[in-house]
Amino acid sequence: GDSVTQMEGPVTLSEEAFLTINCTYTATGYPSLFWYVQYPGEGLQLLLKATKADDKGSNKGFEATYRKETTSFHLEKGSVQVSDSAVYFCALRDAGNMLTFGGGTRLMVKP
Amino acid sequence: NAGVTQTPKFQVLKTGQSMTLQCAQDMNHNSMYWYRQDPGMGLRLIYYSASEGTTDKGEVPNGYNVSRLNKREFSLRLESAAPSQTSVYFCASSYKPGGTGEETQYFGPGTRLLVL
Repeated sequence: GDSVTQMEGPVTLSEEAFLTINCTYTATGYPSLFWYVQYPGEGLQLLLKATKADDKGSNKGFEATYRKETTSFHLEKGSVQVSDSAVYFCALRDAGNMLTFGGGTRLMVKP
Repeated sequence: NAGVTQTPKFQVLKTGQSMTLQCAQDMNHNSMYWYRQDPGMGLRLIYYSASEGTTDKGEVPNGYNVSRLNKREFSLRLESAAPSQTSVYFCASSYKPGGTGEETQYFGPGTRLLVL
């Protein structure tokens, strides 16, 4: 079946550092790919998405590019802020419209 | 516009007790979902309802039942709670725009359940 693998956290960075959170997937067909963010005490919010190979999703300074050849969708941000501290989930959606999530990566940004 | 709401926020149960988690959405979405979130495992789908009057099993349905009461409400019931059901439960809803629009799921704030 489909699966999503994320780097284990926590990832601890200083403010203004560069962020990369790795995500790779296994799926049949051509899934859509997503990054969700969960702030403390809240539900998941869609951060960005990409629906086909080479698409780049972007939002709030975060970016991720759908790489079919490496089955990856790594999340990047050039300069993180304390307010970016959260748990980040990579996910794919199959042809049946069901989401499969990775295990989540906790990001902690220190001033 | 409240989005997706869940009650209660937190609950403690003893093994064998029953309870119902409530979920409601005010976005007129057709599809609704129940997930559980466990450390290091992301979210796993328990049940979903593609439209009013239909429900289907997800990845981990054992020990749960659901009811799609109307278009707005989708409840999750634990008939006899077990410690393995200690988790955070999230409800979500979604719609698919017409044509080739992408479907997006919107999540509630979660219910934290502890079974002793």
